[in-house]
Amino acid sequence: RKEVEQDPGPFNVPEGATVAFNCTYSNSASQSFFWYRQDCRKEPKLLMSVYSSGNEDGRFTAQLNRASQYISLLIRDSKLSDSATYLCVVNPWNTGFQKLVFGTGTRLLVSP
Amino acid sequence: NAGVTQTPKFRVLKTGQSMTLLCAQDMNHEYMYWYRQDPGMGLRLIHYSVGEGTTAKGEVPDGYNVSRLKKQNFLLGLESAAPSQTSVYFCATQGGGGDEQYFGPGTRLTVT
Repeated sequence: RKEVEQDPGPFNVPEGATVAFNCTYSNSASQSFFWYRQDCRKEPKLLMSVYSSGNEDGRFTAQLNRASQYISLLIRDSKLSDSATYLCVVNPWNTGFQKLVFGTGTRLLVSP
Repeated sequence: NAGVTQTPKFRVLKTGQSMTLLCAQDMNHEYMYWYRQDPGMGLRLIHYSVGEGTTAKGEVPDGYNVSRLKKQNFLLGLESAAPSQTSVYFCATQGGGGDEQYFGPGTRLTVT
């Protein structure tokens, strides 16, 4: 079983739609969780950290369910510019430096 | 500020040749990482460094060596390149007490 699993997609949605991605992780001792965004042939960039209480940043909402070991990302009012690959990322270690474990990514395509 | 830079951007090597990838940062970050990204797989950690003069193995260290003689530079070496090392290589930094990793633009390496 992969440490971090995501549906690769692609998710094809029209502008203005709401879309949600889930990700599961296998290590129950994992400490911190993130969503990174990666545009085609570019480097990953942090979209948001995921906190136990859930957190929201504009149109983006992230949730963590430790009991079921999954993380979700909800995007409301999708924009064309949201088209990208979304990487679910987990840090299994309780250390200052981050030995991150990356999912393979979920591809989102937003169309006019 | 340039952030995180990588040289070269592209390289084609023949099997058995050697090369060094350079990662440079001007963010004064303590931690630096080398990843590789292959189709259908998440980013995988090759080596990392928690400070000047220190290095440690990640998930896939075989065939690679690293050095961090100066805080701002992290070098990744391939002593005898193999076709299995064809990949996109990303360097990342982390520091300032934060969790976010900042990635360089990547190096696309092809080994024939």
